[in-house]
Amino acid sequence: DTAVSQTPKYLVTQMGNDKSIKCEQNLGHDTMYWYKQDSKKFLKIMFSYNNKELIINETVPNRFSPKSPDKAHLNLHINSLELGDSAVYFCASSRDRVQEKLFFGSGTQLSVL
Amino acid sequence: AQKITQTQPGMFVQEKEAVTLDCTYDTSDPSYGLFWYKQPSSGEMIFLIYQGSYDQQNATEGRYSLNFQKARKSANLVISASQLGDSAMYFCAMREGRGTGKLIFGQGTTLQVKP
Repeated sequence: DTAVSQTPKYLVTQMGNDKSIKCEQNLGHDTMYWYKQDSKKFLKIMFSYNNKELIINETVPNRFSPKSPDKAHLNLHINSLELGDSAVYFCASSRDRVQEKLFFGSGTQLSVL
Repeated sequence: AQKITQTQPGMFVQEKEAVTLDCTYDTSDPSYGLFWYKQPSSGEMIFLIYQGSYDQQNATEGRYSLNFQKARKSANLVISASQLGDSAMYFCAMREGRGTGKLIFGQGTTLQVKP
């Protein structure tokens, strides 16, 4: 069983569209994250949720809205997609907000045309 | 200011040799954690090793060891007996303080292992 799974793996869409990326973890972890990896491979945190509560929001445009229906799921919805949103988006989880080790999903390659 | 610096964009190593990937960090927080992740060409992020700021001994995980020099603020990754499957991008990351789980990543180093 995949510990942190995110779908879809690839997402190709037009500018201006709205899209969602889904993430689920079956590790029983309390804390989940979204990271963005740009074209230069630089990884930066976007959001973190702990037990469905938002604890980190890193000055991400409000076109990005994370939603955590329960602690095993953290979805990312993006409105009015722009060319600059093209990147790989990684979901991750950790046992709790203090836990050191992050478990990453396999990433979603988003291409905005 | 850059908090995590990896100065080697690319490295080559001969199979079966050891290689050191450099990482320096900057923090004023006495409590922090240092991590190394591997990202192969398939794209997933794989945890390799962790070192806490209060850990007395250098961390080791199989062929991976972390050369932690606190006074120099460096946390170099040493891979012994390199294998072809070690070819990948390697990221150093730091967690400042406790309670957020937020990691700050370096720019990455691409390692190529030659047969």
